[in-house]
Amino acid sequence: DIQMTQSPSFLSASVGERVTITCRASLNIKNNLSWYQQRPGKAPKLLMYGASSLQSGVPSRFSGSGSGTDFTLTISGLQPEDFATYYCQQTYNVPPITFGGGTKVEI
Amino acid sequence: QVQLVQSGAEVKKPGASVKVSCKASGITLTGYYLHWVRQAPGQGLEWMGWMYFNTGDTNSAQTLQGRVTLTRDTSINTAYMELTRLTPDDTAVYYCAKSPMIRGINAWFDPWGQGTLVTVSS
Repeated sequence: DIQMTQSPSFLSASVGERVTITCRASLNIKNNLSWYQQRPGKAPKLLMYGASSLQSGVPSRFSGSGSGTDFTLTISGLQPEDFATYYCQQTYNVPPITFGGGTKVEI
Repeated sequence: QVQLVQSGAEVKKPGASVKVSCKASGITLTGYYLHWVRQAPGQGLEWMGWMYFNTGDTNSAQTLQGRVTLTRDTSINTAYMELTRLTPDDTAVYYCAKSPMIRGINAWFDPWGQGTLVTVSS
């Protein structure tokens, strides 16, 4: 199974800051990576797919990059509604589909 | 608006089974994959399995050791997840999610159901 490792697990930031979350795959997954945002008590929401493609309706302050084993999600200009937990997901070597452990972005 | 609406919260005793439903509105699930993902309290996301809605073909996580059964009723555009031999470790929020593919860059999950809390306690 492919292991997905996110860092950091927790991140403290202020409104307006630029934040970067890293996701590392245990094997080459090319660009078969998606990112999700989960607000407290809510279901996850798709942000990015194909490592760098923005899902329709997602603000452009979100961006993704990477290929192979190392990926990043960047939020340029953190907004109050962005305080949430973020997960990466690989869909290259399946089953199983695997998620990273999550990064909680706190104020 | 495409939505997946799940059944309500359940409380079960150890050893029992639970069956959660996931009904699609605004879209037919035909041609899509329907996944189940669970999240234990304060924990991350764990993929449980998928079903191809056209044929009913399924695949589930080996970690569940054959305890999960995925089914569907095409006449009402609804998928089901049944988990047997419940233990307290199965206490979690269970989500369904739709994807167009099961692998590749277009295997993203969207939308997700609202989640169903299953509590296992004696």
